[in-house]
Amino acid sequence: ILNVEQSPQSLHVQEGDSTNFTCSFPSSNFYALHWYRWETAKSPEALFVMTLNGDEKKKGRISATLNTKEGYSYLYIKGSQPEDSATYLCAFTSGAGSYQLTFGKGTKLSVIP
Amino acid sequence: EPEVTQTPSHQVTQMGQEVILRCVPISNHLYFYWYRQILGQKVEFLVSFYNNEISEKSEIFDDQFSVERPDGSNFTLKIRSTKLEDSAMYFCASSPRSYGYTFGSGTRLTVV
Repeated sequence: ILNVEQSPQSLHVQEGDSTNFTCSFPSSNFYALHWYRWETAKSPEALFVMTLNGDEKKKGRISATLNTKEGYSYLYIKGSQPEDSATYLCAFTSGAGSYQLTFGKGTKLSVIP
Repeated sequence: EPEVTQTPSHQVTQMGQEVILRCVPISNHLYFYWYRQILGQKVEFLVSFYNNEISEKSEIFDDQFSVERPDGSNFTLKIRSTKLEDSAMYFCASSPRSYGYTFGSGTRLTVV
């Protein structure tokens, strides 16, 4: 059974603070790691798909790193804004003949103005 | 930007009734999926569909569930006889290849 864990479960930060959260996943049979941003009543929005160990990706103030050998990824948000408030989901795909996404429970971020 | 569209956004049904959840994937995508999230739990994979057949399904996707692509544009999930524990948010997704998913905004199914 593949297990993806995210921490913390929820986080409150002040506007302007930088923050980060963690996703851990099985280090064997790795194919890809996905980060999604999900606001209530909207579609989960793809942020990053990462496939290579040591990968770093950036989109505006949000960036992510990947360590496939130890099975973790970090998502960083620099200078948080109220519009960053959302649940951030990570999902793992194993290459063992299966491309389904196995999700973590998410980190719910609230940015206080 | 192309979207995956799901209807209805919220459906309430009585236990034992059949429900059909509808999705219109992105037109040039080849892979289609259903996921669900029971309140407070992780998003779980149900089924993937490629080349007009199921390519993968989870243990959750038992004989009560079926999927169909009836007309080349819609992708439906049918639950034959709903149970209380089927109450969840159901997400449809599509992708042009084995990654690069686009999700719909979900259908909240409430079984009473």
